[in-house]
Amino acid sequence: GQSLEQPSEVTAVEGAIVQINCTYQTSGFYGLSWYQQHDGGAPTFLSYNGLDGLEETGRFSSFLSRSDSYGYLLLQELQMKDSASYFCAASDTGRRALTFGSGTRLQVQP
Amino acid sequence: GAVVSQHPSRVICKSGTSVKIECRSLDFQATTMFWYRQFPKQSLMLMATSNEGSKATYEQGVEKDKFLINHASLTLSTLTVTSAHPEDSSFYICSARVMTGTMDSPLHFGNGTRLTVT
Repeated sequence: GQSLEQPSEVTAVEGAIVQINCTYQTSGFYGLSWYQQHDGGAPTFLSYNGLDGLEETGRFSSFLSRSDSYGYLLLQELQMKDSASYFCAASDTGRRALTFGSGTRLQVQP
Repeated sequence: GAVVSQHPSRVICKSGTSVKIECRSLDFQATTMFWYRQFPKQSLMLMATSNEGSKATYEQGVEKDKFLINHASLTLSTLTVTSAHPEDSSFYICSARVMTGTMDSPLHFGNGTRLTVT
């Protein structure tokens, strides 16, 4: 099974950079994904790390270190619309579903 | 591409009734779909894996007789909450990967169904 830990809340100001950490305990870990969810909405895919290192997609980057069982999502040039919940999610070799972390609520202030 | 449609988006029902939720992959085929449940301000918890043409696989603690899953085609999975009770009130979300997708490919989520049982 999998368990993933994230901070529950993060607050930052517009234009700033914020990092959301995720640590995991797992068996058969395959890769780490990040999803964004606005209140009442569906989760939307942001980024995936199958290998160690940094993946960059526009303002969002994600990092994975398998040796440390750790990853993070980096959001740059924060905008008000980035206020949402962010979930890390692990895939494992045993099944095709994702196991989601507890979620981090990001509040961007003017 | 890779759109998942879920219906209804919101339903209110009386205790003891059954509710059916549909999940369709609109522009791709999915032999496997996943049903999650999310309580307010909490994470998404996997309920079951829906397999086209065969029985669903339920997570530990999820009652298969209460949450009936049918995956009759490559584009449609349904979740029926039978004899619903107030504690079943939650946000139910389905998801799927493109059938040819690898483990690296993302899950595509429906917009969810908010179920309220009175």
